[in-house]
Amino acid sequence: GAVVSQHPSRVICKSGTSVKIECRSLDFQATTMFWYRQFPKQSLMLMATSNEGSKATYEQGVEKDKFLINHASLTLSTLTVTSAHPEDSSFYICSASSGGAINEQFFGPGTRLTVL
Amino acid sequence: AQRVTQPEKLLSVFKGAPVELKCNYSYSGSPELFWYVQYSRQRLQLLLRHISRESIKGFTADLNKGETSFHLKKPFAQEEDSAMYYCALSGAGGTSYGKLTFGQGTILTVHP
Repeated sequence: GAVVSQHPSRVICKSGTSVKIECRSLDFQATTMFWYRQFPKQSLMLMATSNEGSKATYEQGVEKDKFLINHASLTLSTLTVTSAHPEDSSFYICSASSGGAINEQFFGPGTRLTVL
Repeated sequence: AQRVTQPEKLLSVFKGAPVELKCNYSYSGSPELFWYVQYSRQRLQLLLRHISRESIKGFTADLNKGETSFHLKKPFAQEEDSAMYYCALSGAGGTSYGKLTFGQGTILTVHP
């Protein structure tokens, strides 16, 4: 099956700093990538949808200036958490889809962000 | 708005027993329904989707539009089925196409 990687797998940062998380599709071209947030023992919450070469579409309640998403190529999307605060600590998961009728998303392993 | 409800957070069965993980949804159009599974320390992966009408690892799920349900069933549970299971919904078109809404998840434990 298609493989999606995320880097880093775990990051600890100080409050006020910015953190970048990369999501890569390793063996297919992802026209669409999705970013999710997962709180402990809770479900995945979709944050935003990004299509290659265009601006990301954010879900209601998600601050686009706080969570910057860039999808510069068909294999890479980045999520930057700007001026991170402890409440941003969470598990961030990306998924990638090649689109079309199949409409299947392939998930990355996730990134654990801890803001001190 | 689309919503997915999995009423059971935890489900325990013994090996060889039947298992059913419940999923109900709310969506105004024609949805696509999925079951995703996350084994211990692994990433989320697709188990099955309703349009495929296939059985994966002995699991099946039937979309019941009347009851707005998509329950996951297996007649004889195995220990290796122990995992977190998520039911998910995607809108069939428009701005909802491709976007997944997940249920809260059910942790299935199969005891030997």
